[in-house]
Amino acid sequence: NAGVTQTPKFQVLKTGQSMTLQCAQDMNHEYMSWYRQDPGMGLRLIHYSVGAGITDQGEVPNGYNVSRSTTEDFPLRLLSAAPSQTSVYFCASSVQGQDGYTFGSGTRLTVV
Amino acid sequence: AQRVTQPEKLLSVFKGAPVELKCNYSYSGSPELFWYVQYSRQRLQLLLRHISRESIKGFTADLNKGETSFHLKKPFAQEEDSAMYYCALLTGNQFYFGTGTSLTVIP
Repeated sequence: NAGVTQTPKFQVLKTGQSMTLQCAQDMNHEYMSWYRQDPGMGLRLIHYSVGAGITDQGEVPNGYNVSRSTTEDFPLRLLSAAPSQTSVYFCASSVQGQDGYTFGSGTRLTVV
Repeated sequence: AQRVTQPEKLLSVFKGAPVELKCNYSYSGSPELFWYVQYSRQRLQLLLRHISRESIKGFTADLNKGETSFHLKKPFAQEEDSAMYYCALLTGNQFYFGTGTSLTVIP
């Protein structure tokens, strides 16, 4: 039982490049979310999903896309990276929201 | 609108002293509140949730609906408590996190 696995752990992108941050969980959790963590701003919700085939926007969705084709995977796509997207990204999952979320170890992304 | 407020970015206490990390929320419904902790270079971990009324690592938190607060308390701080603490509010399907408080316990 690996929990929530995020890859890669570190990534450097050039402005305008695209990439996908991977997130997988093996706990059969229905709820999955992506957050970004920035100094002084805490964690902000980017996108979330309450089940396979269902996604919705969070507080800061612009510049990011998600899909949920399976229960296990919830990839986050950056369409055209910008320096403002330099951040630490966390994926999290939960059986149901009120149980609290299990977090991945994070992806540190730098856009130059 | 800011739903969760943690007014202290930094908090330092001496080992053995009581510690209180403040959290206030804004929500018209029945709130579900959580505390998460992030130790240095580690992932966020659920510390406790108000619905279970538990005590984890000596920490407790009481929901005060009148003051819309969910402060985290520990009577005697330990060095291993040094970490970043986040208060979170669950509304519907979304978690809203505060900006976090960095706690340093001075030996």
